[in-house]
Amino acid sequence: NAGVTQTPKFRILKIGQSMTLQCTQDMNHNYMYWYRQDPGMGLKLIYYSVGAGITDKGEVPNGYNVSRSTTEDFPLRLELAAPSQTSVYFCASRPSGANVLTFGAGSRLTVL
Amino acid sequence: GIQVEQSPPDLILQEGANSTLRCNFSDSVNNLQWFHQNPWGQLINLFYIPSGTKQNGRLSATTVATERYSLLYISSSQTTDSGVYFCAVDLGYGGATNKLIFGTGTLLAVQP
Repeated sequence: NAGVTQTPKFRILKIGQSMTLQCTQDMNHNYMYWYRQDPGMGLKLIYYSVGAGITDKGEVPNGYNVSRSTTEDFPLRLELAAPSQTSVYFCASRPSGANVLTFGAGSRLTVL
Repeated sequence: GIQVEQSPPDLILQEGANSTLRCNFSDSVNNLQWFHQNPWGQLINLFYIPSGTKQNGRLSATTVATERYSLLYISSSQTTDSGVYFCAVDLGYGGATNKLIFGTGTLLAVQP
């Protein structure tokens, strides 16, 4: 049981490049979330999903896209990376009927 | 939108000391959680506590929902308690943790 796995752990992008942050959970959780954490700040919700095929925007969705084709995977796509997207990205999940989130270890992204 | 404020922003303790962290929120919520982010960035849920008091070892939390605040108590602090403590609230109905709003955190350093 690996929990929530995020890849890559670190990535440097040039302005305008695109990339996908991967998130996989093996706990059969219906709910999955993407957060970003800027230095010295709390987490802000980017997108979330309540189940396969269903996604919705959070507080800060601009510049990102998500998909949820399976229960296990919830990739986050960055199109046309900008320096403002330099942050640490966390994926989290929870089962239906529960309130506690399980977080991945984070992915540190730098856009230069 | 709802505002979540935490105090103090920074705290330095000697090992063995006690401390109280505070979380104020500006609107009624039906979900409040406390998280610990260790120095390596890993986020761990400490408490799900929309109201009342809970204890887990040296940690306890109290939420007074009618007065819109929550307190996290750390007793007999240890160096492993160091890190950032976040509270997060959810406006969702029925306890659904779909859109957690995080505070900016309290940075705790416990010195040996």
